[in-house]
Amino acid sequence: AQKVTQAQTEISVVEKEDVTLDCVYETRDTTYYLFWYKQPPSGELVFLIRRNSFDEQNEISGRYSWNFQKSTSSFNFTITASQVVDSAVYFCALSEDVGTGTASKLTFGTGTRLQVTL
Amino acid sequence: ETGVTQTPRHLVMGMTNKKSLKCEQHLGHNAMYWYKQSAKKPLELMFVYNFKEQTENNSVPSRFSPECPNSSHLFLHLHTLQPEDSALYLCASSQVGGGTDTQYFGPGTRLTVL
Repeated sequence: AQKVTQAQTEISVVEKEDVTLDCVYETRDTTYYLFWYKQPPSGELVFLIRRNSFDEQNEISGRYSWNFQKSTSSFNFTITASQVVDSAVYFCALSEDVGTGTASKLTFGTGTRLQVTL
Repeated sequence: ETGVTQTPRHLVMGMTNKKSLKCEQHLGHNAMYWYKQSAKKPLELMFVYNFKEQTENNSVPSRFSPECPNSSHLFLHLHTLQPEDSALYLCASSQVGGGTDTQYFGPGTRLTVL
């Protein structure tokens, strides 16, 4: 069975601080996919990134960066120079390789609530 | 309209009422999903429709009845709900292909059952 653990329930930082959100996953599959979503107070889950299990290269997108390490089954998310608009709940999710023509099934973590204050 | 839309955004209903949630995707996708998000619990997948056919029913009580008339529209019909059904109901869509597909979510309907 697949499992995603986000041990940090809530994190509070002051604007301009860097913050890392942890994600640890469990799966028996050799091919799988990892995702991060952002859920602002409005409720919509906003897709941030998707990585497959064969691509361990870290990724940077503006102030966001992701560190994927298969050796520790982790896919951590760092926000550099945080801003108030980053305040949201962030979800890590895992999907198996479902093959052609089959809809994916995401296993979500419980989320980390990030509060950025001035 | 762009992306995934959901109506209504907020709904308050009594336990004996019948109501429906609507989801529409404008992304040209072929799969649609219903999720339930309760406080302090992980998102729970309820139903999956792939090319209008239901492919997943995650042990959802029969008081929730989904309907997918075409690949762009998804409904969730509600009847005789319980207070514990109060939650945020999220719809998502994706383009099914090889490997896996990325799901895109709507803003959700916040449901309160009195």
